[in-house]
Amino acid sequence: DADVTQTPRNRITKTGKRIMLECSQTKGHDRMYWYRQDPGLGLRLIYYSFDVKDINKGEISDGYSVSRQAQAKFSLSLESAIPNQTALYFCATSDRTGIETQYFGPGTRLLVL
Amino acid sequence: GQNIDQPTEMTATEGAIVQINCTYQTSGFNGLFWYQQHAGEAPTFLSYNVLDGLEEKGRFSSFLSRSKGYSYLLLKELQMKDSASYLCAVTPKAAGNKLTFGGGTRVLVKP
Repeated sequence: DADVTQTPRNRITKTGKRIMLECSQTKGHDRMYWYRQDPGLGLRLIYYSFDVKDINKGEISDGYSVSRQAQAKFSLSLESAIPNQTALYFCATSDRTGIETQYFGPGTRLLVL
Repeated sequence: GQNIDQPTEMTATEGAIVQINCTYQTSGFNGLFWYQQHAGEAPTFLSYNVLDGLEEKGRFSSFLSRSKGYSYLLLKELQMKDSASYLCAVTPKAAGNKLTFGGGTRVLVKP
């Protein structure tokens, strides 16, 4: 079984709709992250959480919100989706010890019409 | 601010060597990562450098020069399965591993 899972894997929605992307992990890591990936722009950090009570904005948080429901779960919401939020979204986790390598989920491909 | 540059695309022949360069300008530095990402898949960890010098892992090696803000990933004995994007990422400070990624280098291996 995968250590980091994301649901849904693909989603098509319309402008103005609210959607939620979910991430779960079985690695026991405290730290979780949400990124979006656009062609040529690499991965950009949306939000991150270092434990259940800690939520921080990344470089592109406008238009997004998150919820850390438990150590293992971190959800990303688009309150009112817009077409330029069409992207590939990745969740990642890391342990606070060692070099803190980030482990990525399989990604959610989102299309906003 | 953070700025990480790497070439957009490189092409090489199976069995050859390819070197992917990455330059960075960041406010603080606590390590540099290389990730491999096949099309449509998740990035996977390749290497980590925090001290100057070369780290070797089988066919892949990564080099870092902190004074020059420069790293490279060396892929030897290229195989077709090495066709992927290679992402350079810097962690700016020790408190919390927030990675800043470059745009990625797409490597195409030809027979």
